[in-house]
Amino acid sequence: GAVVSQHPSWVICKSGTSVKIECRSLDFQATTMFWYRQFPKQSLMLMATSNEGSKATYEQGVEKDKFLINHASLTLSTLTVTSAHPEDSSFYICSANLAGGRTNEQFFGPGTRLTVL
Amino acid sequence: DAKTTQPPSMDCAEGRAANLPCNHSTISGNEYVYWYRQIHSQGPQYIIHGLKNNETNEMASLIITEDRKSSTLILPHATLRDTAVYYCIVRVKTSYDKVIFGPGTSLSVIP
Repeated sequence: GAVVSQHPSWVICKSGTSVKIECRSLDFQATTMFWYRQFPKQSLMLMATSNEGSKATYEQGVEKDKFLINHASLTLSTLTVTSAHPEDSSFYICSANLAGGRTNEQFFGPGTRLTVL
Repeated sequence: DAKTTQPPSMDCAEGRAANLPCNHSTISGNEYVYWYRQIHSQGPQYIIHGLKNNETNEMASLIITEDRKSSTLILPHATLRDTAVYYCIVRVKTSYDKVIFGPGTSLSVIP
């Protein structure tokens, strides 16, 4: 099946710094990728839809200037958490739609655990 | 996307069938039923999907009622590794459709 990877798998940073998380589709092209955030014991919350070659579409309540998304190629989307604070500590997960896929499955990455001290 | 309701938690004995229900009474004619699961601290995993016919794959079976207002995911022989949160989602089958997760059902498989 299609594989989505994320890097890093975990990161610890100091408050005020910026952190970049990469999401790659390893064996397929993805015109659309999605970014989710998950707090402990809660469900996944969609943050934004990332479209290759265009601006991301953010869900209501998500600050676009704080969570910068870039989808420069059909296999790579990045999420940058700018000026991170402890409340940004969370599990960040990306997913990708297989372009032209028959079943329209979304393939999810393994997630990135962010801890802001 | 249509809203779904699932029980918050279920237990199942190892080796027995796990039957996870989902209600989607407002599903539209062009919406499919998808099931995903998330094992602790991992990304969600696709399990199965269907429109109106029952479906089966190597992981599970999906039974959709004739009126399509509810469905059941069946894990025929649950193992400890099936302990996870299971999400039932209805969505249109387009290339750009996002997946919106509800709270899901936390399944615990007990030895």
